[in-house]
Amino acid sequence: AQSVTQPDIHITVSEGASLELRCNYSYGATPYLFWYVQSPGQGLQLLLKYFSGDTLVQGIKGFEAEFKRSQSSFNLRKPSVHWSDAAEYFCAVDTGGFKTIFGAGTRLFVKA
Amino acid sequence: DAGVTQSPTHLIKTRGQQVTLRCSPISGHKSVSWYQQVLGQGPQFIFQYYEKEERGRGNFPDRFSARQFPNYSSELNVNALLLGDSALYLCASSLGGAGDYEQYFGPGTRLTVT
Repeated sequence: AQSVTQPDIHITVSEGASLELRCNYSYGATPYLFWYVQSPGQGLQLLLKYFSGDTLVQGIKGFEAEFKRSQSSFNLRKPSVHWSDAAEYFCAVDTGGFKTIFGAGTRLFVKA
Repeated sequence: DAGVTQSPTHLIKTRGQQVTLRCSPISGHKSVSWYQQVLGQGPQFIFQYYEKEERGRGNFPDRFSARQFPNYSSELNVNALLLGDSALYLCASSLGGAGDYEQYFGPGTRLTVT
């Protein structure tokens, strides 16, 4: 069965430090991969997506993610975190356009 | 252009009651998906509709049903509410054509069952 694992329930980083959020997926073929961000009480905003091609994808707000087929991973990175980046981050897999599977999320805390 | 809109924003229901949630997709989008997000968890897929036909269904009981109207708006109905149905219900729309997997989410409806 398809699944998405985000190993870190929460992460705390200092403002200005780099960030990496981990995501592993289980799927038989190359999936369509997404990262979303959710602020408290809000809906989801798409940060970036991977469908095919270049395995390093750029998104909004300075985020990027790298697809590694051999590791079944799609980790999200940002070189310098801002206090406004504090939120919940979800990795998601689309298995063919009819169903999207989300990870449990990683809560990011940013300390001054 | 307006994004995905959902109504109501919040509602409180009693166990055993029925509830209807509404979603209007982005103009031009023909696909609507519904998700349930319980506090502290990721969204769980409930339904996807495309051109008024159900195209996908998640692992939810028959108490959950949905439909899509000719204008592509959608309703999610939940019957015989349980305490465990308390959650944020998210609607997402997309163009829905072949190869289109980018979804745009609404702000959600917060349902509390007491």
